[in-house]
Amino acid sequence: QVQLQESGPGLVQPSHTLSLTCAVSGDSVSRGNYYWSWIRQPAGKGLEWIGRIFPTGNTRYKASLYSRVAMSVDTSKNHVSLEMRSVTAADTAVYYCARVVAATRHFDFWGPGALVTVSS
Amino acid sequence: SYVLTQPPSVSVAPGKTAKISCGGKNIGTKSVHWYQQRPGQAPVLVVYDDSDRPSGMSERFSGSNSGSAATLTISRVEAGDEADYYCLLWDVSSDEWVFGGGTKLTVL
Repeated sequence: QVQLQESGPGLVQPSHTLSLTCAVSGDSVSRGNYYWSWIRQPAGKGLEWIGRIFPTGNTRYKASLYSRVAMSVDTSKNHVSLEMRSVTAADTAVYYCARVVAATRHFDFWGPGALVTVSS
Repeated sequence: SYVLTQPPSVSVAPGKTAKISCGGKNIGTKSVHWYQQRPGQAPVLVVYDDSDRPSGMSERFSGSNSGSAATLTISRVEAGDEADYYCLLWDVSSDEWVFGGGTKLTVL
């Protein structure tokens, strides 16, 4: 069974960088039929896709977040990472990582999520 | 950018059938996926590729997609089905994934 687990600081200061890691177990991040995405959800609001990364390291980000986001994949540690620069209170949310099925482009497994609060 | 529209809320009595719509331009030509999210939990896939169910998902959950709307149908609704439901698709023109705004299903 595939399991994903997000981790990182729960509190980030405004204008600083948010950094999260998604540890993958039960699968390899470099397996070709799947890739990886990050999604976030502010409290009481809907889901927002942030970006995706292929096992090769090729990335695609939501246009409105493009200038602040970076994703990476570490095959030796079997995890994927998210960085978001210059955060504001509007970036306060639960952040999820999810596995993407390449053939149908749906997210089949999700992590439990990590709450990140942006505050001084 | 592509927009998916869902009704904010749907109410249904136990044992009845709930239908949740997801509208978008030419959505019938796209592959739509559906997620259930209970409070405080991560989303769970209930239908993918318009009408396929993941392994182990109840047959009470089904999906369809044609014209200008995709629909998630929940048959014989149970109290445990009360949750938020989101539709999702990949927009080929922008190479981005788009979520609907979510529908809160209330079991009366």
